Amino acid sequence: GAVVSQHPSWVICKSGTSVKIECRSLDFQATTMFWYRQFPKQSLMLMATSNEGSKATYEQGVEKDKFLINHASLTLSTLTVTSAHPEDSSFYICTGREGGEYNEQFFGPGTRLTVL
Amino acid sequence: GQNIDQPTEMTATEGAIVQINCTYQTSGFNGLFWYQQHAGEAPTFLSYNVLDGLEEKGRFSSFLSRSKGYSYLLLKELQMKDSASYLCAPMDSNYQLIWGAGTKLIIKP
Repeated sequence: GAVVSQHPSWVICKSGTSVKIECRSLDFQATTMFWYRQFPKQSLMLMATSNEGSKATYEQGVEKDKFLINHASLTLSTLTVTSAHPEDSSFYICTGREGGEYNEQFFGPGTRLTVL
Repeated sequence: GQNIDQPTEMTATEGAIVQINCTYQTSGFNGLFWYQQHAGEAPTFLSYNVLDGLEEKGRFSSFLSRSKGYSYLLLKELQMKDSASYLCAPMDSNYQLIWGAGTKLIIKP
């Protein structure tokens, strides 16, 4: 299957700093990328959907000014958590999809963010 | 609203068979995915059903009944490495995956 990478795998930062997470599709062109967040023992929560070259579509309740998403190319999307706070500590997962909506989403390995 | 109903936790014995049930309610339907998620890792794809019936793939099979809003994942010849959470994720009319909290499967020797 197709491969999606995320970097970093884990990050610890101080409250108030910004953190950037990269999501790359390694062997396919991800026309659409999704960003999810998962708190311990809870379900995945879709944060936003981004199409290459377009602004991301954010889910209700997700602050677009706090979670900046850039999908500048068909193989790279970035999520920047600005002014991170301890409540932003979570497991962030990106997925990439090539082509139409019926196509499978390929998952990245996730990034564990801990904000002190 | 949209919701997923799966058992929170199940326990089974190595070598046995286990069936994980899922009922769902979504706004429209464009198929249903099953994913496996080990602790601390991202989900990995197991199966996709869009038509009624059983899809078999090695030790894993998945069944769908659209009229009943019901699916199950059947795992045969259980191995210790099958200990994980299993996520049932239907796709709604907007092609969005709807996620529940999943079923934590514990395999005992």
